[in-house]
Amino acid sequence: TQLLEQSPQFLSIQEGENLTVYCNSSSVFSSLQWYRQEPGEGPVLLVTVVTGGEVKKLKRLTFQFGDARKDSSLHITAAQPGDTGLYLCAGALTPQGAQKLVFGQGTRLTINP
Amino acid sequence: SAVISQKPSRDICQRGTSLTIQCQVDSQVTMMFWYRQQPGQSLTLIATANQGSEATYESGFVIDKFPISRPNLTFSTLTVSNMSPEDSSIYLCSVSVMGVGYEQYFGPGTRLTVT
Repeated sequence: TQLLEQSPQFLSIQEGENLTVYCNSSSVFSSLQWYRQEPGEGPVLLVTVVTGGEVKKLKRLTFQFGDARKDSSLHITAAQPGDTGLYLCAGALTPQGAQKLVFGQGTRLTINP
Repeated sequence: SAVISQKPSRDICQRGTSLTIQCQVDSQVTMMFWYRQQPGQSLTLIATANQGSEATYESGFVIDKFPISRPNLTFSTLTVSNMSPEDSSIYLCSVSVMGVGYEQYFGPGTRLTVT
């Protein structure tokens, strides 16, 4: 059983479209992070959310942490080919164990020109 | 944040041999992590390495197969021992840094192919 369910696992859309990636769990997380990974590279941290209901924006990317801190979403507006990559959500179960993360399965996103 | 380098970036090894992967970080950190990743898939944690203590291994990973050293606060090694083709994967190290909560920063990975 996956502790963090990420969906969809694959998504291919046209440039200019909007999309949302979801990360869900039955567990409460003290913090949740989103990463993007490109081929041949390690995951790059995009954002960390720690407060229930928190919304953070990074240019065309909007990240939301659920009120109960069990789920999160990543919304991309007007997707561009440069957004192509593997998106990973990862959560810390407790503040004490915050340094050890649980990862979702990943979403492979392809933006077609 | 932290800048992490890994060596080698890739290698092709024969079955039965061992490979040691090095991970260097540009600042002192308490916790370092080693992950395995199949191409296009998510990350699986192998072990957590604290300086001055034995590494803590996740279920399914054992010290004899994946010995880890952590001699100081900026360096760690992971050895993949007695390799088989099933060990072919990408191996990543990461460090935990206090930012907005604890945040992990990753190295570029080592792509290992076992023939």
